Amino acid sequence: DGGITQSPKYLFRKEGQNVTLSCEQNLNHDAMYWYRQDPGQGLRLIYYSQIVNDFQKGDIAEGYSVSREKKESFPLTVTSAQKNPTAFYLCASSPGLAVYEQYFGPGTRLTVT
Amino acid sequence: KNEVEQSPQNLTAQEGEFITINCSYSVGISALHWLQQHPGGGIVSLFMLSSGKKKHGRLIATINIQEKHSSLHITASHPRDSAVYICAAAVNTDKLIFGTGTRLQVFP
Repeated sequence: DGGITQSPKYLFRKEGQNVTLSCEQNLNHDAMYWYRQDPGQGLRLIYYSQIVNDFQKGDIAEGYSVSREKKESFPLTVTSAQKNPTAFYLCASSPGLAVYEQYFGPGTRLTVT
Repeated sequence: KNEVEQSPQNLTAQEGEFITINCSYSVGISALHWLQQHPGGGIVSLFMLSSGKKKHGRLIATINIQEKHSSLHITASHPRDSAVYICAAAVNTDKLIFGTGTRLQVFP
């Protein structure tokens, strides 16, 4: 089955620790995205990548880092510099850019205490 | 004011009712997406449209470019339609702006 996997579904960390969220897709999509979802707010774009070895900051990139070493993988690291890391994180991919349909992963709920 | 506004924020309905969810945007767009988010958090893309109307099963999406408005309709609603419905505007070739979502509950 083609799709996007994110792991783990739930993640707990202590404040001050970096944590990496996994996102893998086998849809052969060029573009991949990371979004953050907070209660009462729309999804906000953290980072996106249109091609391997290239990525762009989204609206709320501060405190986050990404890599795109392989087409199918786009891991997100939440660093200790992120002031409010507790949130629901969604990864998505698409054949191209925003005019194309986006396919979403199941999400990872990160709780930092 | 958000660039993408949805209404209503919450909606309850009896099974079988016709549902309408609205989305207004204040920016120029290249496409408008409708998404469905289930209680577990997973998101599914329902429609992507740039003009006119699209239909899939009991779901219909329309867009009026001149009025900067889109609607999602659900005919003969069913409890399994209960979810959060999100519209997202593609404001240029590489970015989506999301509405805050409409939470729909359909009761038997």
